[in-house]
Amino acid sequence: DTEVTQTPKHLVMGMTNKKSLKCEQHMGHRAMYWYKQKAKKPPELMFVYSYEKLSINESVPSRFSPECPNSSLLNLHLHALQPEDSALYLCASSSPGLAGGPGHETQYFGPGTRLLVL
Amino acid sequence: SQQGEEDPQALSIQEGENATMNCSYKTSINNLQWYRQNSGRGLVHLILIRSNEREKHSGRLRVTLDTSKKSSSLLITASRAADTASYFCATGGRAGGFKTIFGAGTRLFVKA
Repeated sequence: DTEVTQTPKHLVMGMTNKKSLKCEQHMGHRAMYWYKQKAKKPPELMFVYSYEKLSINESVPSRFSPECPNSSLLNLHLHALQPEDSALYLCASSSPGLAGGPGHETQYFGPGTRLLVL
Repeated sequence: SQQGEEDPQALSIQEGENATMNCSYKTSINNLQWYRQNSGRGLVHLILIRSNEREKHSGRLRVTLDTSKKSSSLLITASRAADTASYFCATGGRAGGFKTIFGAGTRLFVKA
């Protein structure tokens, strides 16, 4: 199984709502990532979890709160978002890297959640 | 600032022609990867080339890496309409860690 699944596919929320994005993989990968992608732009790294511990937080606003409950699941909790947070949110996973460096191997991406904040 | 910059930003070719995309980066890298993204979808990994490799092939794809010039190219031969997508290079730094930085991407349109 080389699939990363993300739910929901689409999400519309108001600025006062609380919602969560979910990501799941069963490839035994121990690194999981959240990216944000605006239209016609490349993905921008938000968070990285390695062995269920937060490894990288790219200075993301606290209205985005990641959670890695176990090695297969990654959540992104959303609260008090702004309209400019509307984007495609991508989850990815990778296996621990070789001697050249952890996580520097192929990333497998989910199809993304398209988020619209009104 | 972005690690990988790509050119051209957009490329339109006829089916059967070859498509070449270029990527430049700024710092030392462990490897360089190319991904494809169909409109509004997730990214699909195409090929990874390590810093000690100069060229790699996979089917109709050919990737070159020139670490002295900090640049890479992706060649798609005998293009098909199904190759229409955005193509991104992505670099992982030599310093270690999980940070992968994507280039701006090339939007390829293959006309049938």
